[in-house]
Amino acid sequence: GAVVSQHPSWVICKSGTSVKIECRSLDFQATTMFWYRQFPKQSLMLMATSNEGSKATYEQGVEKDKFLINHASLTLSTLTVTSAHPEDSSFYICSADPTGEGSYNSPLHFGNGTRLTVT
Amino acid sequence: GDSVTQMEGPVTLSEEAFLTINCTYTATGYPSLFWYVQYPGEGLQLLLKATKADDKGSNKGFEATYRKETTSFHLEKGSVQVSDSAVYFCALTPQNTGNQFYFGTGTSLTVIP
Repeated sequence: GAVVSQHPSWVICKSGTSVKIECRSLDFQATTMFWYRQFPKQSLMLMATSNEGSKATYEQGVEKDKFLINHASLTLSTLTVTSAHPEDSSFYICSADPTGEGSYNSPLHFGNGTRLTVT
Repeated sequence: GDSVTQMEGPVTLSEEAFLTINCTYTATGYPSLFWYVQYPGEGLQLLLKATKADDKGSNKGFEATYRKETTSFHLEKGSVQVSDSAVYFCALTPQNTGNQFYFGTGTSLTVIP
């Protein structure tokens, strides 16, 4: 089946540094990938839609200068948390639509997530 | 706006017990509805889906019926196993808005032998 690989699975960084998270579609091409954030005991919140070859679309309230998204190829999207602070500590999950249809009844395939801890 | 509300956990059941996890939604028109499952240490996996009213999604013994009149999509399984222990997420995509998913908070299920 369609596999989405996310790396790293966990990372600890110091406050003020930047962290890059990679999301790869291993056996399909994804023109669109999605980045979610999950706080403990809360639902997944969509942060942004990553579009191959163009700018990402950010959800309201998400700082685009802080969460940089690059979708450089059809199989790779990266999320960079810049100048990280302890409040950025969270679980970040990427996903993609292997059908490429982008329709509202197409399920997404998810990566295993990245646990970010900022000290 | 569009949203999903699911029952809070954690839920603990004995093996072979009946499972219901409630999920209700708020959305205009006819959204698509999904249940995702997250096993320990793994990513979210699609469990089942329903794309129109009265549809029943089913997989691995789990079922959920899209009820427009009650705006619900409750997950059920007649006899749970220890291997069903996981976190279950109800989700929707609004009609005609692409893959924009809205998730519930997740319900943790533990099945004990």
